[in-house]
Amino acid sequence: SAVISQKPSRDICQRGTSLTIQCQVDSQVTMMFWYRQQPGQSLTLIATANQGSEATYESGFVIDKFPISRPNLTFSTLTVSNMSPEDSSIYLCSVGRQGDNEKLFFGSGTQLSVL
Amino acid sequence: DAKTTQPNSMESNEEEPVHLPCNHSTISGTDYIHWYRQLPSQGPEYVIHGLTSNVNNRMASLAIAEDRKSSTLILHRATLRDAAVYYCILRGRANFGNEKLTFGTGTRLTIIP
Repeated sequence: SAVISQKPSRDICQRGTSLTIQCQVDSQVTMMFWYRQQPGQSLTLIATANQGSEATYESGFVIDKFPISRPNLTFSTLTVSNMSPEDSSIYLCSVGRQGDNEKLFFGSGTQLSVL
Repeated sequence: DAKTTQPNSMESNEEEPVHLPCNHSTISGTDYIHWYRQLPSQGPEYVIHGLTSNVNNRMASLAIAEDRKSSTLILHRATLRDAAVYYCILRGRANFGNEKLTFGTGTRLTIIP
């Protein structure tokens, strides 16, 4: 299995500010994904974090709002920029490894509240 | 992406088997059927997956219809700790190990003591 550490676990932020969420994995992984889960809803994929290149964003998500970095095979960050109350959600990091029985592993998430 | 259809919610008594259905009539020949569950205040966790044959592991069993247009996740003896939202997801194998997961609405399972 993969152990994922996500920081912070929760935060309360003011509108117009930015928050960077970190995802650290205990081993090298092939792929890293960032998901958003709005209150009472299912998970929505924001983007795939590509090591050494720009992230691949899903429809409805843009780099200016959700810049992502992935400097190596064990670490990624997601920034939520210029926040508004609509950004209040749980943000989850997910990782996958080739040959790992096709499982994806998820962090416990970052609960973000924007006032 | 191929879609799945699940009941919004189900209830089951503790220590009884639970059968969670999933319809995926537009499944392609290379799609795997994955099940994940999300316990309260946690990220999703892998439960089981399969392609054509029924699968068993320590957590559950997966029964796949012969035409692959539906599947059933079976919890053999539900406990209170199995209360969660269960997601049935189709995942392509175009890029082995690297395919994203697209979550539907899932089934919220309530276990009655």
